[in-house]
Amino acid sequence: GAGVSQTPSNKVTEKGKYVELRCDPISGHTALYWYRQSLGQGPEFLIYFQGTGAADDSGLPNDRFFAVRPEGSVSTLKIQRTERGDSAVYLCASSFFSSGRNTGELFFGEGSRLTVL
Amino acid sequence: AQSVSQHNHHVILSEAASLELGCNYSYGGTVNLFWYVQYPGQHLQLLLKYFSGDPLVKGIKGFEAEFIKSKFSFNLRKPSVQWSDTAEYFCAVKSNDMRFGAGTRLTVKP
Repeated sequence: GAGVSQTPSNKVTEKGKYVELRCDPISGHTALYWYRQSLGQGPEFLIYFQGTGAADDSGLPNDRFFAVRPEGSVSTLKIQRTERGDSAVYLCASSFFSSGRNTGELFFGEGSRLTVL
Repeated sequence: AQSVSQHNHHVILSEAASLELGCNYSYGGTVNLFWYVQYPGQHLQLLLKYFSGDPLVKGIKGFEAEFIKSKFSFNLRKPSVQWSDTAEYFCAVKSNDMRFGAGTRLTVKP
């Protein structure tokens, strides 16, 4: 597709349930980022992939959060035993990385709004 | 990791007023600097970016930003705002990963 695609756009779940959020980056973009944005806040960094591997996962808040990108394209953010505090918009972004240089600009998806009741 | 500080939480201006939004960062190494904008109901979009060279960079819609290395600042400016500039503005700093500030909400009154 032309842009970064995220599904679902909205997810309502109950406390304690498991949730998966999917991101389909722009074709050819090797770098993929996950952020979390709460109301009135800036995007909070979660994890960054370069290809299939997580280059930096220092932003994942705890071991309930996990992300994969098995083929270096689509990524899934997985949240176990959801808590009410996990409610936020989860943003995915991708960027182009060539010849050891990341062009820097991130292209964002529309986000997945997660509500934990 | 780098951190980003935006000084103004909410700015209210009348149309045609001049705008300056502050951004400071803390990181000792080489960084790339960005301003992103989020219009109501839309996703984040790039406004402008600085990689190297002329520290005064021009972006879309008449926005510009100046990188002052000695002050670790990258303030956003626009000489004359319009009602359509009402949005949330985020400063971002990139070393390996990209870190964002908390954002400044701009309201432009017609």
